[in-house]
Amino acid sequence: EVQLLESGGGLVQPGGSLRLSCAASGFTFSNSAMRWVRQAPGKGLEWVSSINGPGDDTYYADSVKGRFTISRDNSKNTLYLQMSSLRAEDTAVYYCTKIFLSYYIDVWGKGTTVSVSS
Amino acid sequence: EIVLTQSPGTLSLSPGERATLSCRASQSVSNSYLAWYQHKPGQPPRLLIYAASSRATGIPDRFSGSGSGTDFTLTISRLEPEDFAMYFCQQYGGSPPITFGQGTRLEIK
Repeated sequence: EVQLLESGGGLVQPGGSLRLSCAASGFTFSNSAMRWVRQAPGKGLEWVSSINGPGDDTYYADSVKGRFTISRDNSKNTLYLQMSSLRAEDTAVYYCTKIFLSYYIDVWGKGTTVSVSS
Repeated sequence: EIVLTQSPGTLSLSPGERATLSCRASQSVSNSYLAWYQHKPGQPPRLLIYAASSRATGIPDRFSGSGSGTDFTLTISRLEPEDFAMYFCQQYGGSPPITFGQGTRLEIK
């Protein structure tokens, strides 16, 4: 069964850091481009970051550029999102997703909640 | 940024009825890179339609997508009880490369 399982969310103070992890199973992880997508309370979905299969090509939304870093460990079938200088507006459910045909998402994790508050 | 506007915000229908959901883009969506997803509480979203009109693997044929340019539609021909959920569209292209609509909530009348 194809599955993505996020972890690492929690409550953090403004300016703090957090690392999200996403364990992938059921497909060839190293061949799959991946994305992080988030949904703030009461808001729509927002693309955060993408990474290609080998991990040498990354992209970021302007809202997180310079503060978040996406990476992957293909030997561990795991995707990461290192988040620093966190702001209240980063509060959201963060979804790990698998890219399909370069443009779409065919697998979503259940999400992990990040709350940034003092 | 390509803004996707979905309408209606909430759609109230009965099982067996036909549902028509709209997704309108602020600019033309290149190559019809438009997808539809279903999202139920406590579950991850599920890909229904990609490339505007292609059904994803395992999706029943009561779900269909159509449209091009700036206007896209998701149609559910005969609603089943399990179809009541949130639906959102997603496009690829422009900057940022991926944007989502705010969603249409399909509820039981």
